[in-house]
Amino acid sequence: RKEVEQDPGPFNVPEGATVAFNCTYSNSASQSFFWYRQDCRKEPKLLMSVYSSGNEDGRFTAQLNRASQYISLLIRDSKLSDSATYLCVVSKAAGNKLTFGGGTRVLVKP
Amino acid sequence: EPEVTQTPSHQVTQMGQEVILRCVPISNHLYFYWYRQILGQKVEFLVSFYNNEISEKSEIFDDQFSVERPDGSNFTLKIRSTKLEDSAMYFCASSSGTGFYEQYFGPGTRLTVT
Repeated sequence: RKEVEQDPGPFNVPEGATVAFNCTYSNSASQSFFWYRQDCRKEPKLLMSVYSSGNEDGRFTAQLNRASQYISLLIRDSKLSDSATYLCVVSKAAGNKLTFGGGTRVLVKP
Repeated sequence: EPEVTQTPSHQVTQMGQEVILRCVPISNHLYFYWYRQILGQKVEFLVSFYNNEISEKSEIFDDQFSVERPDGSNFTLKIRSTKLEDSAMYFCASSSGTGFYEQYFGPGTRLTVT
């Protein structure tokens, strides 16, 4: 089983719509969770850390379900600039290595 | 806004040659990392570095790889004898060691081994 699994997509999303996707992780000892976005051939950019209680940052909402070992990301009012690959990332402890999922590709279309 | 920087942006080398990839982490950060991403694949951890020593390394980080922080600002990754399969994008990252220990990535060095 992969350590972090994501639906590769692509998710084709009309501009202004809401899109949600999640990832599952295999290591129940994971303590830190993040969403990064990656544009084609660019570096991963931190989108948000995921809090145990879930958190929101503008149009982005992240949720963590420790019992089922999955993390979700919801994007509201999608913009063309949201087109990217979204990387689910986990870590066993603060400061430890990051383990990346393969990414979910999102394409926002006019 | 402070950024991680990396040089060169692209390095082409012949198999068997040594390469040094350079990174300047964010200035007040304490934790440093190297990752790589082979084209079309996921980002993979190579090594982490804290308090002037390696804190963790992956199976990929074998004897051909080494890291150094030669001064207060640079963080380097050396590959002693490059192989074709070392062709990848190499990302440096750094973390302040506070909060969620978020890691911030540099723009990467594309290494092509011919």
